[in-house]
Amino acid sequence: DGGITQSPKYLFRKEGQNVTLSCEQNLNHDAMYWYRQDPGQGLRLIYYSQIVNDFQKGDIAEGYSVSREKKESFPLTVTSAQKNPTAFYLCASRMGTGGDNEQFFGPGTRLTVL
Amino acid sequence: SQKIEQNSEALNIQEGKTATLTCNYTNYSPAYLQWYRQDPGRGPVFLLLIRENEKEKRKERLKVTFDTTLKQSLFHITASQPADSATYLCALDGTGRRALTFGSGTRLQVQP
Repeated sequence: DGGITQSPKYLFRKEGQNVTLSCEQNLNHDAMYWYRQDPGQGLRLIYYSQIVNDFQKGDIAEGYSVSREKKESFPLTVTSAQKNPTAFYLCASRMGTGGDNEQFFGPGTRLTVL
Repeated sequence: SQKIEQNSEALNIQEGKTATLTCNYTNYSPAYLQWYRQDPGRGPVFLLLIRENEKEKRKERLKVTFDTTLKQSLFHITASQPADSATYLCALDGTGRRALTFGSGTRLQVQP
């Protein structure tokens, strides 16, 4: 089955810890994205990558880091510098970066800071 | 600054009626506009894409209009069903970057 997988589904973090959220796709898509969603809110763009070994900051990149060493993988690290990390994190991909490409989303990871 | 606005209040309608959701934007000149459906605790799912030179797009019970003069898109669900209850998000390509920007979504509740 083609799709996007995210793990873990639920993640608990103590204050001061870094955590890494996994995102893998087998759709052979070039572009990948990370969004954050807070309760009752829309999606806010954290980082995106158009090709391997390249990525750009989105609207709320502070306190986050990413890597794109393989086409199919785009992990997101939530660092201790992110002051309010509790949220629902969504990974997405699409074939190209043009606006006529639909985005495919993973099931999400719900991060809670204890 | 660029803004995408969707009605933050939930829309409640009776089964069988037509639901109409609105997406307004400012300081964008999008060539494409997309609509997604999101169920609670899940990732959004793509529904429809409309191009700037298309006034209207249909897919089964769904219809989208795109008015670049008014800077507005309307999303219609005809013969609505309780299973249509979800949050609906519109999305535009952000000016100057290759990534979609999403509105905050409108929650639709269809009563049986």
